[in-house]
Amino acid sequence: QQPVQSPQAVILREGEDAVINCSSSKALYSVHWYRQKHGEAPIFLMILLKGGEQKGHDKISASFNEKKQQSSLYLTASQLSYSGTYFCGTLYNNAGNMLTFGGGTRLMVKP
Amino acid sequence: IAGITQAPTSQILAAGRRMTLRCTQDMRHNAMYWYRQDLGLGLRLIHYSNTAGTTGKGEVPDGYSVSRANTDDFPLTLASAVPSQTSVYFCASSEGRGQPQHFGDGTRLSIL
Repeated sequence: QQPVQSPQAVILREGEDAVINCSSSKALYSVHWYRQKHGEAPIFLMILLKGGEQKGHDKISASFNEKKQQSSLYLTASQLSYSGTYFCGTLYNNAGNMLTFGGGTRLMVKP
Repeated sequence: IAGITQAPTSQILAAGRRMTLRCTQDMRHNAMYWYRQDLGLGLRLIHYSNTAGTTGKGEVPDGYSVSRANTDDFPLTLASAVPSQTSVYFCASSEGRGQPQHFGDGTRLSIL
């Protein structure tokens, strides 16, 4: 079952913050985050494993709330280069190999 | 530069024709995947392979077949193309199950 991402789209000014959520109706083992620019391949951002860990690099970080079966991606002080579509991919157990991707969140950062 | 190579970049195909999309990786990754991406639906897994010699069905496998004769190559075949298979197809690979996936640049396929 496809995870639900929200919002579907967001427009920011450079320097503003954004949060993208990924919710599942099934228990999660891990969540992947990817960013895709128009006409390009998706690029891996980070993986979060169950246990409520939080990860980040540069000004992009993410959390994983196992109880809520939800992951959130935080973009701080957004830059023009952050524009693109963000996808979460969910894995439901550690034996599986089938990432189920959400429908994506389109982020546009304006000067 | 290490990565994934997909061919062709784009193709227009008549319905009923057979088509093979090629995917080659040089990272010695064990796992490989084929996705299709349609507007508003994100990425949907067609088939996957955990290691050379094995394949598995994904979320939308009907009308597609794959083979994994060696580590590097993972071709996707449409035996008899139909217009609903018009999509952008991405091949990806990862070191193993649940690991970060590296994507090729995609093949844009139009079935008329």
